[in-house]
Amino acid sequence: GAGVSQSPSNKVTEKGKDVELRCDPISGHTALYWYRQSLGQGLEFLIYFQGNSAPDKSGLPSDRFSAERTGGSVSTLTIQRTQQEDSAVYLCASSSRETQYFGPGTRLLVL
Amino acid sequence: DQQVKQNSPSLSVQEGRISILNCDYTNSMFDYFLWYKKYPAEGPTFLISISSIKDKNEDGRFTVFLNKSAKHLSLHIVPSQPGDSAVYFCAACEGYGNKLVFGAGTILRVKS
Repeated sequence: GAGVSQSPSNKVTEKGKDVELRCDPISGHTALYWYRQSLGQGLEFLIYFQGNSAPDKSGLPSDRFSAERTGGSVSTLTIQRTQQEDSAVYLCASSSRETQYFGPGTRLLVL
Repeated sequence: DQQVKQNSPSLSVQEGRISILNCDYTNSMFDYFLWYKKYPAEGPTFLISISSIKDKNEDGRFTVFLNKSAKHLSLHIVPSQPGDSAVYFCAACEGYGNKLVFGAGTILRVKS
C-alpha cells in the first residue's frame, strides 16, 4: 500500500517568509508525528497528533511553528517568519500501533 | 541531555561478516525500542523493534538485543551486505505510539 507522502520535497524560501509543509499519512493510521533533522544532527521531535486528543506540542522550538491535522488525516506544518536556523529536513511519520513509518521528508532551505 | 546515545559515529565491516551497532539510553521509563535505517535523501526506514519485556528479537538477518539492567541495546546484522551501508538510528519511547527519542546515528559501511 501507499506509504507516507510529503510535499513539497524541496523548498527554498527567503528569511522572513512563511512556509507550509504537507503530510499525507498512511490510510487508517490514527497517529501522526512531525520531526526534523538539522544538518549533522539527529532527529528531533516536534509535534504529535493522536486521534481526537489534544496534540503534544512539546517539541515545537518556538511559537513561529504550528501544525494542524484536518479530518484526522492530512497534516500541515506551518513555519512563520522563517529564520536561517529553520533550515532542515522536516519528516512526517504515522502509526496505527507501536511502529512509526516515515515519509521521505521536505528539505527546507532558508536563505 | 541526550537520553539516547550512539557513541560510534561510524563503523566499517567486510561483506559477509557481522555488523554490531550499539545504543545506550538513560531514561528507565523507555519501554519500546526501534532501529531505523536511513539512506541519503530518503526518510528513515523501520528495521526492527523490541519491547522492554523481551531481551531479543530476530527478523531475518537482523537481531536486536536488549539489556535493561545496563540500559543498552544492540543491532546485529549477519551476514552484512553492501546494500546495508546506510545511517542507522536507534530510537526509544515511553509507551507504544508515543514520540520517539533518537540517537545521533551510526554510519555503517559494508565493504565488498
